[in-house]
Amino acid sequence: ETGVTQTPRHLVMGMTNKKSLKCEQHLGHNAMYWYKQSAKKPLELMFVYSLEERVENNSVPSRFSPECPNSSHLFLHLHTLQPEDSALYLCASSQDHPLSGTSTDTQYFGPGTRLTVL
Amino acid sequence: QKEVEQDPGPLSVPEGAIVSLNCTYSNSAFQYFMWYRQYSRKGPELLMYTYSSGNKEDGRFTAQVDKSSKYISLFIRDSQPSDSATYLCAMIGGFYDQGGKLIFGQGTELSVKP
Repeated sequence: ETGVTQTPRHLVMGMTNKKSLKCEQHLGHNAMYWYKQSAKKPLELMFVYSLEERVENNSVPSRFSPECPNSSHLFLHLHTLQPEDSALYLCASSQDHPLSGTSTDTQYFGPGTRLTVL
Repeated sequence: QKEVEQDPGPLSVPEGAIVSLNCTYSNSAFQYFMWYRQYSRKGPELLMYTYSSGNKEDGRFTAQVDKSSKYISLFIRDSQPSDSATYLCAMIGGFYDQGGKLIFGQGTELSVKP
């Protein structure tokens, strides 16, 4: 498998459930990202990991909990979500995080997980 | 004021038309400009990447950046039905501006009719 993969592709959960989204990148990149894409809104950056260390957390509610066990895998753990959290959750990776001082790196996206919270 | 403004469309054109997609931005620190294409039910894919002002051409696609006007464009020549997708502009500042965060426009939905 190549590129950035995400599982599951679709998820329906109740507000009291606990679930996890998984992202895997096969590009040898050092930085990984979680984005939220709601209808008719720009992509919203949620979390950034660089070399398995969280470098950005953009005021995301604590009901979203990221985990990066190694540079190839990124998880987003979900618990007690709200219906307004229903969206497409996209994972991306880049060679390095821009703060590393290297030339800016473009981000390559996975297909996303379509989440519906009932 | 949003940092990046993009007309959401939808934009509908006949096959073969020249398409012009645009974004304006407010932060003069942005230096790197990208266009992503997103098909329905898929994640965004990088289409074009430009540094600073100027033009870049790749096949039927031309990306144009005018930093003095804070305006970027993507032109699609001889548009095809397969070009129907949402096009997102994105930009990033210097390394110490906003943490090097990639800022996206809202996306423009394009439909090319046969």
